[in-house]
Amino acid sequence: SAVISQKPSRDICQRGTSLTIQCQVDSQVTMMFWYRQQPGQSLTLIATANQGSEATYESGFVIDKFPISRPNLTFSTLTVSNMSPEDSSIYLCSVSEPGIPGTEAFFGQGTRLTVV
Amino acid sequence: QKEVEQDPGPLSVPEGAIVSLNCTYSNSAFQYFMWYRQYSRKGPELLMYTYSSGNKEDGRFTAQVDKSSKYISLFIRDSQPSDSATYLCAMGYSGNTPLVFGKGTRLSVIA
Repeated sequence: SAVISQKPSRDICQRGTSLTIQCQVDSQVTMMFWYRQQPGQSLTLIATANQGSEATYESGFVIDKFPISRPNLTFSTLTVSNMSPEDSSIYLCSVSEPGIPGTEAFFGQGTRLTVV
Repeated sequence: QKEVEQDPGPLSVPEGAIVSLNCTYSNSAFQYFMWYRQYSRKGPELLMYTYSSGNKEDGRFTAQVDKSSKYISLFIRDSQPSDSATYLCAMGYSGNTPLVFGKGTRLSVIA
């Protein structure tokens, strides 16, 4: 099973600043996913990050606000730009289980972001 | 109507009880169904996944899917305090489309 390390685990940021979240996987994976989990809400997919191509963003999320990098098959970053208190949330990266396409089987521990 | 409905609870049961967690969905195109467990301050952990109607058992956990009723369940037998967590259902259409998650049900098992 894949082990995902996500950093930072939490942060408190000033509005208007940006935070970059890192996701490191201990094995090569094709697809990585970035989710947002707001208090009392479902997990919401922000984007899918494939190595060597632009990330695919879901409705309501744009690259200028959430730029993503995927430089190789084991690493990705998500930046939350020009933050406002509404961006306070838990951000999670996830990878699929090889051989079971579409299943976001493994999640990082999440980054708890508070914007003040 | 949301695509996936899940009662957020909280649900509190005594140790040893049988727990039933449920989700309903509206889109008959969903093809596969998952249950995740999320402990406080941790990421979700995949518990069970299934592609078809019927039951799937793994230890104390049984996942049940009824496609005709658009209803899925997770049963936990002989519940333990370590089962206290939030349980999320999730559903998918195909291999390359994003999952749709329920809001999660918070479960507390009291010793």
